[in-house]
Amino acid sequence: QSALTQPASVSGSPGQSITISCTGTSSDIGTYIYVSWYQQHPGKAPKLMIYDVNNRPSGVSDRFSGSKSGNTASLTISGLQADDEADYYCSSYTTSNTVIFGGGTILTVL
Amino acid sequence: EVQLVESGGDLVQPGGSLRLSCVASGFTFRTKWMHWVRQTPGKGLMWVSLINGDGTNTNYADSVKGRFTISRDNAKNTLYLQMNSLRVEDTAVYYCAPAEEDWGQGTLVTVSS
Repeated sequence: QSALTQPASVSGSPGQSITISCTGTSSDIGTYIYVSWYQQHPGKAPKLMIYDVNNRPSGVSDRFSGSKSGNTASLTISGLQADDEADYYCSSYTTSNTVIFGGGTILTVL
Repeated sequence: EVQLVESGGDLVQPGGSLRLSCVASGFTFRTKWMHWVRQTPGKGLMWVSLINGDGTNTNYADSVKGRFTISRDNAKNTLYLQMNSLRVEDTAVYYCAPAEEDWGQGTLVTVSS
């Protein structure tokens, strides 16, 4: 199964909002709510930012929000801050009882 | 606070074996679906395997099927990954990943002659 499709990079200025898309198929994102988003800073482990499409773990800023429409999920970061600069990955459970990740998106804060 | 401590990563020759362990705390381990995810340095994330709470449901990525075995000991709050017939392309940092929780720091597996 191919990876979920994410843009290779996105950028924004401090204070702005950005959205990262994650496109799958009816065999994954289109069927399940089990879509998660992870943030990874260089040399660090991935950090869970969103689970089950739009739920934030405790401690994650409410500047991070998730949504889903059809086969595409989205992560929106509002009020961009310098520390948001990182790699972001989406994932989804699939109808094959597996998990699939996106290729990752590099977020640059200008 | 969720804590996950992975261990068992090492340098091993192609064809060799390793067993990774992950000791969990801070959540109800016995009910949590658990995953192993790996990341080759500088590359993206790749899902490796999953197991449900009581161990009756397991599955694997095609690239490791038949070589890796996931298991858990709920009495010890520990997740395992037995890796046999290791290949150079299995070289990666392996993360223990509970569903809907943060991950561990990972353990490095290097397969090289």
